[in-house]
Amino acid sequence: EDQVTQSPEALRLQEGESSSLNCSYTVSGLRGLFWYRQDPGKGPEFLFTLYSAGEEKEKERLKATLTKKESFLHITAPKPEDSATYLCAVQVVTGGGNKLTFGTGTQLKVEL
Amino acid sequence: DGGITQSPKYLFRKEGQNVTLSCEQNLNHDAMYWYRQDPGQGLRLIYYSQIVNDFQKGDIAEGYSVSREKKESFPLTVTSAQKNPTAFYLCASSNVGSSGNTIYFGEGSWLTVV
Repeated sequence: EDQVTQSPEALRLQEGESSSLNCSYTVSGLRGLFWYRQDPGKGPEFLFTLYSAGEEKEKERLKATLTKKESFLHITAPKPEDSATYLCAVQVVTGGGNKLTFGTGTQLKVEL
Repeated sequence: DGGITQSPKYLFRKEGQNVTLSCEQNLNHDAMYWYRQDPGQGLRLIYYSQIVNDFQKGDIAEGYSVSREKKESFPLTVTSAQKNPTAFYLCASSNVGSSGNTIYFGEGSWLTVV
């Protein structure tokens, strides 16, 4: 069974204090690993897709990396507007089309 | 604007009542999905459809039904057989292909049993 585990469950940072969120996965065949940002009461907003180990992608203060067993979302010098829940999801090669299996998310709070 | 529209945003259901959540997309995506989100749990897949007039059960399909009569529309009915329907429901869509296709989400619908 495909599994996705995110840690920590919650993270509180001071503005400017860099940190990383972890997403570890166990899947039969990875087609892609996705990162989403979700604000309270809203749908997830797509951030990145990573396809193979060693791949990295960046967007503003966020950088996502991928190994064969886990992915990290690095947040550099965060601002209060980065506060949100960050979701990780995997898409597998086996039957089932493009469906995603999600982790439970990391709730990030950035304070002044 | 292109996107996924879910309605209503808030819905209240009485015991024993069926309710239908609407989902429309104008992204020309072939695939559409319904997920359920509960506090402390990841998003869980209810149903998905990769082509018109065809759909498959996800991980938690019991108590739900869907239809896909048009490419743009994928309504979800929460039936009285769903014993714990209070949740946040998310509709999504994507292209279909051999490489990873990004799944985009709507803004969600809150369903509460009263």
